[in-house]
Amino acid sequence: QQQVKQSPQSLIVQKGGIPIINCAYENTAFDYFPWYQQFPGKGPALLIAIRPDVSEKKEGRFTISFNKSAKQFSLHIMDSQPGDSATYFCAADGTASKLTFGTGTRLQVTL
Amino acid sequence: DGGITQSPKYLFRKEGQNVTLSCEQNLNHDAMYWYRQDPGQGLRLIYYSQIVNDFQKGDIAEGYSVSREKKESFPLTVTSAQKNPTAFYLCASSMGGGARELFFGEGSRLTVL
Repeated sequence: QQQVKQSPQSLIVQKGGIPIINCAYENTAFDYFPWYQQFPGKGPALLIAIRPDVSEKKEGRFTISFNKSAKQFSLHIMDSQPGDSATYFCAADGTASKLTFGTGTRLQVTL
Repeated sequence: DGGITQSPKYLFRKEGQNVTLSCEQNLNHDAMYWYRQDPGQGLRLIYYSQIVNDFQKGDIAEGYSVSREKKESFPLTVTSAQKNPTAFYLCASSMGGGARELFFGEGSRLTVL
């Protein structure tokens, strides 16, 4: 049973473009929504996270948009760079204190 | 530097053999986790432990076992009962007590021949 659905599976954008990755969740008890970034051969690392009491959070070129009524959230990467090429995972957590991850989006930023 | 160390990075085993993956952390974190990563399936939770000498099954615990005898160590054994053990295994830790951020190791890639 997948509780967090992520799309697209892969994404190719040109340098300077704005890739958008979307996630949807089912469990209304989730109250923490992080995004993790993973480079090949490495473990994921926390990129940015949001709680449902805000609709948007920005950290540098990365922005999370959150729609509580639709149970959806998305990651936007402004002015994307080749160094942003990685796999991105959304996740969600509730009172169980264990993250449920999406299936991942492989992003490639071309020159 | 504080962090999580997983070993070995690559491991090859014959079918039917048990394998133990090591995970050590020096972050003084209370909680530790094991995830399995397969292409197109994301990260799936195998086992987690919030405190020493206690652990809980995750979503895909069948065919795996763990122990938590020390705060800094959380080894994972992939038993012969695991039907499809070839995968990338990730260990993580968090401060616990409601802290949400996971810190991951660099993973162990297990290939069963």
